[in-house]
Amino acid sequence: EDQVTQSPEALRLQEGESSSLNCSYTVSGLRGLFWYRQDPGKGPEFLFTLYSAGEEKEKERLKATLTKKESFLHITAPKPEDSATYLCAVRSGGGADGLTFGKGTHLIIQP
Amino acid sequence: NAGVTQTPKFQVLKTGQSMTLQCAQDMNHEYMSWYRQDPGMGLRLIHYSVGAGITDQGEVPNGYNVSRSTTEDFPLRLLSAAPSQTSVYFCASSYSNQGATQYFGPGTRLLVL
Repeated sequence: EDQVTQSPEALRLQEGESSSLNCSYTVSGLRGLFWYRQDPGKGPEFLFTLYSAGEEKEKERLKATLTKKESFLHITAPKPEDSATYLCAVRSGGGADGLTFGKGTHLIIQP
Repeated sequence: NAGVTQTPKFQVLKTGQSMTLQCAQDMNHEYMSWYRQDPGMGLRLIHYSVGAGITDQGEVPNGYNVSRSTTEDFPLRLLSAAPSQTSVYFCASSYSNQGATQYFGPGTRLLVL
């Protein structure tokens, strides 16, 4: 059974204070690891897809990295508008053909 | 492109009532899926479809039916609503089921009394 664990559950940072969010996973044949951002009352918004260990993707203040057991979402010099819940999900070669999600990290950036 | 659209945005049902949650996409995606999101839990897969005429069950399919008569539409039916089905429902689509990125709709918030 695929499993995704995100930590911390919640994180409060000052504006400009860099940090990282963790996503640990166990899957039978990784087809992709996905990061989404979700604002209150909205659907998940796609950020990154990673397929193999060592892969990195960047977008503005965000950078996602992948190893064989976990992924990190690094946030550099965050701004208040980066406040959201960040979701990690995996797609594997086994089981039902969909995404397995973690519970998310609720990030608050204080001005 | 409108992307993935869902209707209604919010619905209140009484126990035992039936309803259909609508989902449509205009990206010509073959793969579509339904998830539910509950407090303290990650999104969970209800049903999915890899193309018109083909559907299959996800992690939590009980109490829900789906059909896929066209590439664009993937409705989710609640035959007899229960309070345990109170949740936020998201539809998603991707061009394939081989690790392609799934794009999500805005969600339908359902309250069953």
